[in-house]
Amino acid sequence: DTGVSQDPRHKITKRGQNVTFRCDPISEHNRLYWYRQTLGQGPEFLTYFQNEAQLEKSRLLSDRFSAERPKGSFSTLEIQRTEQGDSAMYLCASTPRGGPGANVLTFGAGSRLTVL
Amino acid sequence: GQQLNQSPQSMFIQEGEDVSMNCTSSSIFNTWLWYKQEPGEGPVLLIALYKAGELTSNGRLTAQFGITRKDSFLNISASIPSDVGIYFCAGPFPNAGGTSYGKLTFGQGTILTVHP
Repeated sequence: DTGVSQDPRHKITKRGQNVTFRCDPISEHNRLYWYRQTLGQGPEFLTYFQNEAQLEKSRLLSDRFSAERPKGSFSTLEIQRTEQGDSAMYLCASTPRGGPGANVLTFGAGSRLTVL
Repeated sequence: GQQLNQSPQSMFIQEGEDVSMNCTSSSIFNTWLWYKQEPGEGPVLLIALYKAGELTSNGRLTAQFGITRKDSFLNISASIPSDVGIYFCAGPFPNAGGTSYGKLTFGQGTILTVHP
């Protein structure tokens, strides 16, 4: 296992377009998280899944943001009708379900979005 | 918004010097995590702390879980150029229960620059 994989690493799009990011977590981790990081700030929690269930989505930034994890393996984060303020690094992370490591996120390299 | 305050915001040091940085919160945390992020990459875990007063080392890095549970400290000894990056503290959302593992709040980071 090579860790958490994210694709694409970079995406440049025009305002109003839809974008989708994919995350493949560590295979034995059943929890998957999406965070957003803007320049000069720490990562900010968006949503997370336990297996295929999305356990919290109240922190998604607007109804233009949605995430899925249909088979409990990879996940996608979609942003519809992108705005310039959506420009950021979108980070995916995973953890095992319980035990002392349950708060220890393993992050992917991120998907950087630039909205023109 | 962010609930963790990191200090200093940035540091410029000479190779070989020791580094100290800290993180404070108005809320009690039961876990403290220290991550390092390099340009264009996701954060990488350095040290995890689980108990008030705990002192843990990882090579030249040492971190401490403050006795009040509202602060943590990270020290780097004998810095080298590859220590360059942004150092983040993080902890689980205050008052988050067991079902909320992995929902972390991050500080704004300490930017470290090491001059050869």
